[in-house]
Amino acid sequence: GQNIDQPTEMTATEGAIVQINCTYQTSGFNGLFWYQQHAGEAPTFLSYNVLDGLEEKGRFSSFLSRSKGYSYLLLKELQMKDSASYLCAVLGPGLIFGTGTRLQVFP
Amino acid sequence: SAVISQKPSRDICQRGTSLTIQCQVDSQVTMMFWYRQQPGQSLTLIATANQGSEATYESGFVIDKFPISRPNLTFSTLTVSNMSPEDSSIYLCSVRSPSASYEQYFGPGTRLTVT
Repeated sequence: GQNIDQPTEMTATEGAIVQINCTYQTSGFNGLFWYQQHAGEAPTFLSYNVLDGLEEKGRFSSFLSRSKGYSYLLLKELQMKDSASYLCAVLGPGLIFGTGTRLQVFP
Repeated sequence: SAVISQKPSRDICQRGTSLTIQCQVDSQVTMMFWYRQQPGQSLTLIATANQGSEATYESGFVIDKFPISRPNLTFSTLTVSNMSPEDSSIYLCSVRSPSASYEQYFGPGTRLTVT
């Protein structure tokens, strides 16, 4: 079976750093994605990890440990516009999504 | 990247009727996917639609309820049949990037309300 878990909600302050965790148990693994979704909009691609380690892209970084079935998304220098849902997804033929984490950034 | 459009953007339908959602992509893609996002929830994969073959459905979704067509490499339709209020959801079309095999892009979604 497939099981992908994330915290439901997180809050943080503008300018801070936040880490969103994702744990997964899937029958196959072809990579792990992070997507950002603002309310009422389609998800947009943030990052992709297929090998263990850290991938950095500007203010956003994503980490993967395949042996632990674990990933995290790190957001630095938080801005108000980062308030959104963050979706962890594992790649099969299509993407299997986790429950999503709703992040609220406060001034 | 791929640009994806969906029609209609939203609709309100009566119980027992059917709605066909169209997905158009601006480039040829092999793999297309249909997802459902129920209110306040994450995305759930309904099926994978490859041109020239039958769609592959995920557990909990069946062809009689969600028939899919994929007549060419730029177009697909999803029909939501014999609708009930539980089908009220956003339905999203998605494609795998033709250039970067791992990138997947989403259409704007179709917001369906069943009364």
